[in-house]
Amino acid sequence: RKEVEQDPGPFNVPEGATVAFNCTYSNSASQSFFWYRQDCRKEPKLLMSVYSSGNEDGRFTAQLNRASQYISLLIRDSKLSDSATYLCVVISGDSSYKLIFGSGTRLLVRP
Amino acid sequence: NAGVTQTPKFQVLKTGQSMTLQCAQDMNHEYMSWYRQDPGMGLRLIHYSVGAGITDQGEVPNGYNVSRSTTEDFPLRLLSAAPSQTSVYFCASSYPGAGTEAFFGQGTRLTVV
Repeated sequence: RKEVEQDPGPFNVPEGATVAFNCTYSNSASQSFFWYRQDCRKEPKLLMSVYSSGNEDGRFTAQLNRASQYISLLIRDSKLSDSATYLCVVISGDSSYKLIFGSGTRLLVRP
Repeated sequence: NAGVTQTPKFQVLKTGQSMTLQCAQDMNHEYMSWYRQDPGMGLRLIHYSVGAGITDQGEVPNGYNVSRSTTEDFPLRLLSAAPSQTSVYFCASSYPGAGTEAFFGQGTRLTVV
């Protein structure tokens, strides 16, 4: 079983739609959680951190459920520019602070 | 502010050749790491370093060597290239610890023929 699992998609949605991505992690000792965005053939960039209390950044909302070991990302009012791959990232639960990546969920927003 | 700089951006190697992928950061980050990304897969950790003089293996270290003689530089060496090492390689740096953002280089597209 992969340490971080995501639905690979692709999610194909019209502009203005709301879309949700899910991610599960297997190590209950994992320390920190993030969503990164990766555009085609580019390097990943931090989209937002994920906290147990939930956090929102404009149209993006991230949520963490430690009991279920589950992370989510909600995108409201999708824009064409949101088309990308979204990577769920977990920092390992040991002292190495390794970043563990999910395989990514691809989003395509159509006009 | 350059951030993380990787060179080269593209490389074609013949099987059995060796080469070094360069990675440099100017943010004084202690933590640096190398990943490879293959189609349909996430980034897999090759090697990482928590500071100068300290390196450790990640998930897929075979066929790769690293060293960390300075805080700024973290080169990745392919000892004898194989077609299975055809991939996109990313270098990243960050401050160590939970909750810190990782910054990535632009990637190196390596093809081994």
